[in-house]
Amino acid sequence: DAGITQSPRYKITETGRQVTLMCHQTWSHSYMFWYRQDLGHGLRLIYYSAAADITDKGEVPDGYVVSRSKTENFPLTLESATRSQTSVYFCASSVGTPSDLFFGPGTRLTVL
Amino acid sequence: AQKVTQAQTEISVVEKEDVTLDCVYETRDTTYYLFWYKQPPSGELVFLIRRNSFDEQNEISGRYSWNFQKSTSSFNFTITASQVVDSAVYFCALNAGNNRKLIWGLGTSLAVNP
Repeated sequence: DAGITQSPRYKITETGRQVTLMCHQTWSHSYMFWYRQDLGHGLRLIYYSAAADITDKGEVPDGYVVSRSKTENFPLTLESATRSQTSVYFCASSVGTPSDLFFGPGTRLTVL
Repeated sequence: AQKVTQAQTEISVVEKEDVTLDCVYETRDTTYYLFWYKQPPSGELVFLIRRNSFDEQNEISGRYSWNFQKSTSSFNFTITASQVVDSAVYFCALNAGNNRKLIWGLGTSLAVNP
């Protein structure tokens, strides 16, 4: 199906474990973004990518790693999960910036 | 500094009432873009509108309308004859200058009661 998908949709993990959240888009959009959404903080940008092999930090990049070897995929890895990383994670894509963002359905991550 | 303020944290209205969601922004750039997004209870984020700083025309889309006023640095969103399906969190966002990132407001939670 066309669009932007995220997997898994729900994940429970333990402190210290590595977790990878997947994001895939079928529009060939140049830009992709990872946000986290927490009560009281709204949406905060973790990392973004302007094209394959080009990534840059957002507001809250610590503890996260991204890669973008292909235009359509933008995985987000928590190298050693902490409880403070419990959140809802949204992937988004856009043709360029500034441009309308198209969001995936989100991944709800719980770190115990 | 760039900032977006949505002063209304929560609004509750009865169906068919009109409701306005406020958005005030701050930027020193002359070129900027403003956005509204909707997040219904199901959780997904949906783009509603983008407006650039050179276009102060108001926009109307069905029951939705947007009022952009540079003089007051505001980009307010009005829902006319609200419906229960309009219940959602609405976010205002700003992109200014050469910044590739969006500056988000904290959102306004709108509850439309039958």
